[in-house]
Amino acid sequence: QQQVKQSPQSLIVQKGGISIINCAYENTAFDYFPWYQQFPGKGPALLIAIRPDVSEKKEGRFTISFNKSAKQFSLHIMDSQPGDSATYFCAAKRQGNLIFGKGTKLSVKP
Amino acid sequence: NAGVTQTPKFRVLKTGQSMTLLCAQDMNHEYMYWYRQDPGMGLRLIHYSVGEGTTAKGEVPDGYNVSRLKKQNFLLGLESAAPSQTSVYFCASSQRRSGGGLAGAPYEQYFGPGTRLTVT
Repeated sequence: QQQVKQSPQSLIVQKGGISIINCAYENTAFDYFPWYQQFPGKGPALLIAIRPDVSEKKEGRFTISFNKSAKQFSLHIMDSQPGDSATYFCAAKRQGNLIFGKGTKLSVKP
Repeated sequence: NAGVTQTPKFRVLKTGQSMTLLCAQDMNHEYMYWYRQDPGMGLRLIHYSVGEGTTAKGEVPDGYNVSRLKKQNFLLGLESAAPSQTSVYFCASSQRRSGGGLAGAPYEQYFGPGTRLTVT
């Protein structure tokens, strides 16, 4: 049973465009929703995170939108750059442990 | 600070062989985790530890054992490797869940660089 569903699996965006990655969850006990960024050959690193009592969080070009009633959250990357090309994982925390989505491979074309 | 380090970086095993993966962290974190990453599957939790001398099962624990004899180290063991255990293994650590007043995002897990294991 997949607790955190992430889409799309892969995404190609032109430089300067907006990248949008979506995640959905079922368990209302989740209380923290981070996004991790992973470059090839490296471990994932925290990019941005949000709590369920906030509808939006912005850090530079990265924004999380959170819809508690729909049990969905998304990552928006504004003005996407080739350096943003990586795999992105959404996650949800319950009882201290993270449940990860399957990942989205983002390619930003110059 | 080195953060989270993993040893070895690469390893090839034959079916039935055993090995131990070592994870070390120098951030004085209470929590440590072992994940495996497979194409199209995301990161799946194998085992975790909430403190020295304690371990618990995650989502996919079968075929693996762990030990946390020292706070800074978390070992993952494969007693009899199988081809299904071919994967990239990541270790992570985080501060105490209920801790406050510490720098960094709460609950942030810091990942090591990974160990690529192939079982033939």
